[in-house]
Amino acid sequence: DAKTTQPPSMDCAEGRAANLPCNHSTISGNEYVYWYRQIHSQGPQYIIHGLKNNETNEMASLIITEDRKSSTLILPHATLRDTAVYYCIVRDGSSNTGKLIFGQGTTLQVKP
Amino acid sequence: DGGITQSPKYLFRKEGQNVTLSCEQNLNHDAMYWYRQDPGQGLRLIYYSQIVNDFQKGDIAEGYSVSREKKESFPLTVTSAQKNPTAFYLCAVRTSGRFGTGELFFGEGSRLTVL
Repeated sequence: DAKTTQPPSMDCAEGRAANLPCNHSTISGNEYVYWYRQIHSQGPQYIIHGLKNNETNEMASLIITEDRKSSTLILPHATLRDTAVYYCIVRDGSSNTGKLIFGQGTTLQVKP
Repeated sequence: DGGITQSPKYLFRKEGQNVTLSCEQNLNHDAMYWYRQDPGQGLRLIYYSQIVNDFQKGDIAEGYSVSREKKESFPLTVTSAQKNPTAFYLCAVRTSGRFGTGELFFGEGSRLTVL
């Protein structure tokens, strides 16, 4: 599975959009990009995933560059409850193990 | 997640003792996982099971054991052979999806402290 690189921390003002970047320059054609977040002392929560096209759900949007070497998770109107560690993960979609490799993630601090 | 129950939430153990962490799910999914998290670190995979009566080692299986006798249950035993067992343990299930792209749903975790 490809390795991802994320900034260790970011700040965002409450009510503004939070844009969390992720580099995955060695991603292969059948690897998906997943995003999870973890609020302190809780289990991680799935946010969104995608392969090539941009994706949107009720929580966030995922923008994947055309060459697929990087992506951005967008929280359109960040709230204080969005303060968490955000993990970007890539995984082979044809693999049947379902194994996800979690890195260090980005700690997002939403400030009033 | 209400469909995944981990117990106990907090556990204290003396050195040399084995301890078993419970993970039960009512989501009817086949694949289940155990991860370990140390303070300020990401998650690391201990064991996973794709189907009843079958399981595979993850990246840090030494000192741990699992069983999968029922679809709903995937208990993890932390043995005395695990050198540094104090950690936050997370159980997860994977939803079905085309090409296995289903997401993981996690329980609330069990925090083990060795005294």
